[in-house]
Amino acid sequence: DTGVSQNPRHKITKRGQNVTFRCDPISEHNRLYWYRQTLGQGPEFLTYFQNEAQLEKSRLLSDRFSAERPKGSFSTLEIQRTEQGDSAMYLCASSLDRGEADTQYFGPGTRLTVL
Amino acid sequence: AQSVAQPEDQVNVAEGNPLTVKCTYSVSGNPYLFWYVQYPNRGLQFLLKYITGDNLVKGSYGFEAEFNKSQTSFHLKKPSALVSDSALYFCAVRAAMDTGRRALTFGSGTRLQVQP
Repeated sequence: DTGVSQNPRHKITKRGQNVTFRCDPISEHNRLYWYRQTLGQGPEFLTYFQNEAQLEKSRLLSDRFSAERPKGSFSTLEIQRTEQGDSAMYLCASSLDRGEADTQYFGPGTRLTVL
Repeated sequence: AQSVAQPEDQVNVAEGNPLTVKCTYSVSGNPYLFWYVQYPNRGLQFLLKYITGDNLVKGSYGFEAEFNKSQTSFHLKKPSALVSDSALYFCAVRAAMDTGRRALTFGSGTRLQVQP
């Protein structure tokens, strides 16, 4: 059973650099989500895709953040000009549209540290 | 706006004793409610969810949760705690009426510590 995978698992970067994270959802899952989790807090929603369409974006997703899911399979999250406040765990989740409250399954996350 | 409150930062329980992790929510209309568990340096694992119907929901690893609409609560329970249950537990909510929105709103988490 292959779950949601995320790469890299850890990323250390200097302030001002750009970083890109990748998420591979569970195969056949048509929905994909990005969340951010800081220490001591629950995950906060960033954005959501249904197939390749980005349908929902949080106010947390500033202009420096961009997410894509070009072929409706894997997704990338890019952060430009990173700031120390971007340090967090970035979680990806996927789900299958079953017409009701579909369950989001999470990957292991990418931990970003901005120095 | 929807919100979740987990009033206890930490819950301590002895192995073999019953455990309860509390969650209250605020949402417009009917809720969809979820519990997830997070182990160190890991992503969230789904435990159970309430959509509609029976107020008592059974999930993975012997956990269950009781939906109480009048008290807007969705407490997580287990009859007999195991040391391996020690982890961080998150409650999450989404409004059922918001068919166009899929974002879950999470609580701040409750750390469960089961002592041997």
